[in-house]
Amino acid sequence: AQRVTQPEKLLSVFKGAPVELKCNYSYSGSPELFWYVQYSRQRLQLLLRHISRESIKGFTADLNKGETSFHLKKPFAQEEDSAMYYCALTVDSNYQLIWGAGTKLIIKP
Amino acid sequence: EAGVAQSPRYKIIEKRQSVAFWCNPISGHATLYWYQQILGQGPKLLIQFQNNGVVDDSQLPKDRFSAERLKGVDSTLKIQPAKLEDSAVYLCASSLLRSQRTGRTEAFFGQGTRLTVV
Repeated sequence: AQRVTQPEKLLSVFKGAPVELKCNYSYSGSPELFWYVQYSRQRLQLLLRHISRESIKGFTADLNKGETSFHLKKPFAQEEDSAMYYCALTVDSNYQLIWGAGTKLIIKP
Repeated sequence: EAGVAQSPRYKIIEKRQSVAFWCNPISGHATLYWYQQILGQGPKLLIQFQNNGVVDDSQLPKDRFSAERLKGVDSTLKIQPAKLEDSAVYLCASSLLRSQRTGRTEAFFGQGTRLTVV
């Protein structure tokens, strides 16, 4: 069965430090992977998707099929990055999202 | 574009009572999802509609939960009777059909309804 694992429930780093939020998935085929973010008191929203190979708000994520990972990275954290981050994947034509448990990122001033 | 609308934002009920949540998806989005998000966990899919048909309801506790999407637009999710463990945020999301998408594949979420069962 497909699964998404985010091993860290909480990650706390200082402002200006690099950030890496880990995401591992289990799926034998070619998944479509996403990072969603939920800022305090806001709705869940898409941050980035692997097929776009884009950088959003300084964040990037590279799909590593060999390691089945899709870690989210940012070289210099900012206080406004504090939020809940969810990794998700979809593998079928019905676009059913399978979610990780989320990582709470806290950026300390 | 207008986002996914959900109501109410908050609801407190006693166990064994009934409750209903409403969702209005983004105009033109054929796919609608209801998720349950328990504190500290990721969203769990309850039911997925494609237009007014059910695509997946395998994780919907059908003895107490029901959902409908009349006319393929708005949707309601009902719990009857509620249990303490139903306390959660209920999220509605919508997306285009895969065949409609031209690069944009994300699901758009509503603000959610926070249900507390006491």
